Amino acid sequence: AQSVAQPEDQVKVAEGNPLTVKCTYSVSGNPYLFWYVQYPNRGLQFLLKYITGDNLVKGSYGFEAEFNKSQTSFHLKKPSALVSDSALYFCAVRDYGNNRLAFGKGNQVVVIP
Amino acid sequence: GAVVSQHPSRVICKSGTSVKIECRSLDFQATTMFWYRQFPKQSLMLMATSNEGSKATYEQGVEKDKFLINHASLTLSTLTVTSAHPEDSSFYICSARDQWPSYNEQFFGPGTRLTVL
Repeated sequence: AQSVAQPEDQVKVAEGNPLTVKCTYSVSGNPYLFWYVQYPNRGLQFLLKYITGDNLVKGSYGFEAEFNKSQTSFHLKKPSALVSDSALYFCAVRDYGNNRLAFGKGNQVVVIP
Repeated sequence: GAVVSQHPSRVICKSGTSVKIECRSLDFQATTMFWYRQFPKQSLMLMATSNEGSKATYEQGVEKDKFLINHASLTLSTLTVTSAHPEDSSFYICSARDQWPSYNEQFFGPGTRLTVL
């Protein structure tokens, strides 16, 4: 079965500092990996995905993520965090041929002005 | 990116009544739609997967007769919460995906906040 772990409940950084949100996954085959962001009382917004190719994936709003197959990780990063980045971030994985996404528990990111 | 809408965004109803939530893909054809439930500060729990023109596939523990799902067209899926009770109060989110290519991301609706009194 596919699964995702987001080990931290909350990530707190100062504005302008680098932001990292951790994600590790487990699938039986090749993974399709996704990051989504959720603002209060809103649905999920797509940030980026890894399917194949370059391990470093660039996405929306200056976010990027690095696929590491040996460590089964897909950490989300942003070089310089903004206060407006404060939100709930979800990592998700889908196995090829599987219709369903498995979500992590989510990480609350707090960017301090 | 593709847009998915949900209606209503917020609904308050009395216990015992039924509530219908609509999910529409506005600029693409969604062969597959998903319904999730989310409790405060928790992850999304998949309730069911629906494919256009066929019966929905429910996750274990989700009552089919309580949460009726209809995916009658390539752009519309509905979730009806029948005989709603206070424990059904939650944030319901739908998502939609085109079947091809198979690695397409899911696009999520803005969610519906259901409060059952």
